[in-house]
Amino acid sequence: GENVEQHPSTLSVQEGDSAVIKCTYSDSASNYFPWYKQELGKGPQLIIDIRSNVGEKKDQRIAVTLNKTAKHFSLHITETQPEDSAVYFCAATLKRDDKIIFGKGTRLHILP
Amino acid sequence: ETGVTQTPRHLVMGMTNKKSLKCEQHLGHNAMYWYKQSAKKPLELMFVYSLEERVENNSVPSRFSPECPNSSHLFLHLHTLQPEDSALYLCASSPRTSGGARDEQFFGPGTRLTVL
Repeated sequence: GENVEQHPSTLSVQEGDSAVIKCTYSDSASNYFPWYKQELGKGPQLIIDIRSNVGEKKDQRIAVTLNKTAKHFSLHITETQPEDSAVYFCAATLKRDDKIIFGKGTRLHILP
Repeated sequence: ETGVTQTPRHLVMGMTNKKSLKCEQHLGHNAMYWYKQSAKKPLELMFVYSLEERVENNSVPSRFSPECPNSSHLFLHLHTLQPEDSALYLCASSPRTSGGARDEQFFGPGTRLTVL
């Protein structure tokens, strides 16, 4: 069945450095790729998304890239700060039924 | 605050109990969702309601029974649960009337459920 693979499961980076989280998807017809951030005790919150007609999108320190040929997309966080510590989920939607499939999540630790 | 509230935030119940989870959204959205979040597993979509009609039921056991009396409220009725049902149950809403996933979903904080 369709699935979304996310790596790494845990990531520790020094404050100020960059963090990269990668996801691959199996359904070539997927056309919407959101990224969610979940802080402790809260539900996931959308931080950025990208649609299949663009290859890159940036919002301040956060950027997402999409390679449709390879079926993978990545989240890039630059100049990381302590408040970036959280669990990040990638997701992809299936075009045929609009179902959203989530990755297993990446726990990001920002080290002081 | 995302505009989606869930009560209770924590719930402990025995396998023979009946309880209900409540979700309320104050965003004027037309679609609402129930998700199950277990440790080290992806978020699992359980139910989707669009304009108060159920449009998705992902082979969820009948011991979970959803109810959507209006577009602002969503319930998940629980009955005869198993210990493996212990998880964080998340409610979400989105503006699309089709219940489609291609619009931002706004999540509530979740209900942490423990089944003894």
